Amino acid sequence: KNQVEQSPQSLIILEGKNCTLQCNYTVSPFSNLRWYKQDTGRGPVSLTIMTFSENTKSNGRYTATLDADTKQSSLHITASQLSDSASYICVVSDGGNKLVFGAGTILRVKS
Amino acid sequence: DTGVSQNPRHKITKRGQNVTFRCDPISEHNRLYWYRQTLGQGPEFLTYFQNEAQLEKSRLLSDRFSAERPKGSFSTLEIQRTEQGDSAMYLCASSLVGTGDGNTIYFGEGSWLTVV
Repeated sequence: KNQVEQSPQSLIILEGKNCTLQCNYTVSPFSNLRWYKQDTGRGPVSLTIMTFSENTKSNGRYTATLDADTKQSSLHITASQLSDSASYICVVSDGGNKLVFGAGTILRVKS
Repeated sequence: DTGVSQNPRHKITKRGQNVTFRCDPISEHNRLYWYRQTLGQGPEFLTYFQNEAQLEKSRLLSDRFSAERPKGSFSTLEIQRTEQGDSAMYLCASSLVGTGDGNTIYFGEGSWLTVV
């Protein structure tokens, strides 16, 4: 069964600190992996998209890594800000027309 | 272009009533998706359109649910005889397949449904 599992389920960090969110998947075949940021009550916003051949991709203070051999990805947030508080969702595509979503990691940045 | 637009943003309805949500995708996007999301969960796929053709429906989409995209532009999602279990956020997304940006899927802000 195609699944995407994220950890931790939730995380609280102090403003200015770094953090790393994890994503493991069993989706096969693999086409691409995406990270989305979803603010409470809003729609998801794309942060990064990585294909099989890409190991890392950055978007400002967000850096995503992908290990297609171990089927793992991480999202690293540098110098966190209060506005980073949101749910971060890992999404994997099998190249078909559906996306498999993880349940998300809820990040709260405290001042 | 203001992105993917969904209306209404919030809807409270009594059990048994019908509701309809509208989605206006990004202009010229040929693919349109509907997802459902409940609290603490990621979005679940419901259906998608390529232009006006509905190409796939999830088993989550019971016969009380119907989606249309009559002219290949906006789409509607209708839920008949609503049940409390239908309470969720209904997300619409669109993409332009066949271009370099075809992998990017843009989501709307969602339509919250509460069935009382």
